[in-house]
Amino acid sequence: GESVGLHLPTLSVQEGDNSIINCAYSNSASDYFIWYKQESGKGPQFIIDIRSNMDKRQGQRVTVLLNKTVKHLSLQIAATQPGDSAVYFCPGDYKLSFGAGTTVTVRA
Amino acid sequence: DADVTQTPRNRITKTGKRIMLECSQTKGHDRMYWYRQDPGLGLRLIYYSFDVKDINKGEISDGYSVSRQAQAKFSLSLESAIPNQTALYFCATSDWGTAGVETQYFGPGTRLLVL
Repeated sequence: GESVGLHLPTLSVQEGDNSIINCAYSNSASDYFIWYKQESGKGPQFIIDIRSNMDKRQGQRVTVLLNKTVKHLSLQIAATQPGDSAVYFCPGDYKLSFGAGTTVTVRA
Repeated sequence: DADVTQTPRNRITKTGKRIMLECSQTKGHDRMYWYRQDPGLGLRLIYYSFDVKDINKGEISDGYSVSRQAQAKFSLSLESAIPNQTALYFCATSDWGTAGVETQYFGPGTRLLVL
């Protein structure tokens, strides 16, 4: 089967610092990976995706890195803001489970 | 207006009662999903439907049933609610974008308490 996991269940970050959220996967056949963000009281929301033939993709203040050699995915948030406080998920292709995610808390 | 709506947003019921949670979407997507979210367990898939005539069990379908009344509507039923079904329930749709990535769009959630 496939598994995705986040290395740390919680992450506390000082406002203005950069955040790095990690994810490991086991399915080498995945064509792409997606990061979702869930703010308190809301459903998860798409942030960014990366296809398996890419190593890096940048969005607005976010960068996703893919290391296929070690089956590792990371989401980097630049200049973390209070609005970045949320739970972050990296589900697998088949959406069976989003896992517990990583809860990011931004300190003022 | 929201693209994926869920009703009710909050519900309190008693053990043994039958309840239905409803989901509607205006995105025109064929694929729809029901998840439950519990603290520390993340989102787990209950049922999913790839079109009106297609229904599939997810990871935790026991105690639940679904109905896909139309492309836009996907309902989740608890035939006889029990306290461990207390959770936050999310409906979602998905679509394949131009880049070949299937992205999901979630509703606001229904908070269910079974006493």
